[in-house]
Amino acid sequence: DTGVSQDPRHKITKRGQNVTFRCDPISEHNRLYWYRQTLGQGPEFLTYFQNEAQLEKSRLLSDRFSAERPKGSFSTLEIQRTEQGDSAMYLCASSLVEGELFFGEGSRLTVL
Amino acid sequence: TQLLEQSPQFLSIQEGENLTVYCNSSSVFSSLQWYRQEPGEGPVLLVTVVTGGEVKKLKRLTFQFGDARKDSSLHITAAQPGDTGLYLCAVRTGTASKLTFGTGTRLQVTL
Repeated sequence: DTGVSQDPRHKITKRGQNVTFRCDPISEHNRLYWYRQTLGQGPEFLTYFQNEAQLEKSRLLSDRFSAERPKGSFSTLEIQRTEQGDSAMYLCASSLVEGELFFGEGSRLTVL
Repeated sequence: TQLLEQSPQFLSIQEGENLTVYCNSSSVFSSLQWYRQEPGEGPVLLVTVVTGGEVKKLKRLTFQFGDARKDSSLHITAAQPGDTGLYLCAVRTGTASKLTFGTGTRLQVTL
């Protein structure tokens, strides 16, 4: 399968713990996006990378959130000191510059 | 306020019925996209409309871009259970051409 893959698919954690999600984009895609989606709502933009450079971050991305794409390939999204309000689906997408975005299946986070 | 407002929020219909969902904004866009998202999956692109007044058909789905390029509609003819999902409109915004999604319409089609 050469689509966008995300890991883990589901994560249940206790409030205050740190969690990390990984995204492996389509190999030739130089853009990578992270979105957050709460139940029944449209995805909200969090941040994007072009190659290894993080070029834009949403105001939704508080100081507890950090994203990296160290070699311009896979990306990680870490949430520190999780809160119940962080419970959501975290979606990754990749694209060529100005190309169609292809989404992964998402990582669902539940914070107890 | 949301850039893209979709209506209705939720629609439950029986197989064989027709339906229309709407995506509205006060802003003008160069293009607009429609996605479908099934439970536990990421959104999948259905269509991109570019020209004001443009109509595109994808099997039983008909997409229209408003003349002023501020709104769009999606009409489904003879809905089937496989049409069940979250329908999202989206536009490219900002220098990153990132997608900004609408509020979504959740469609449930029952037998």
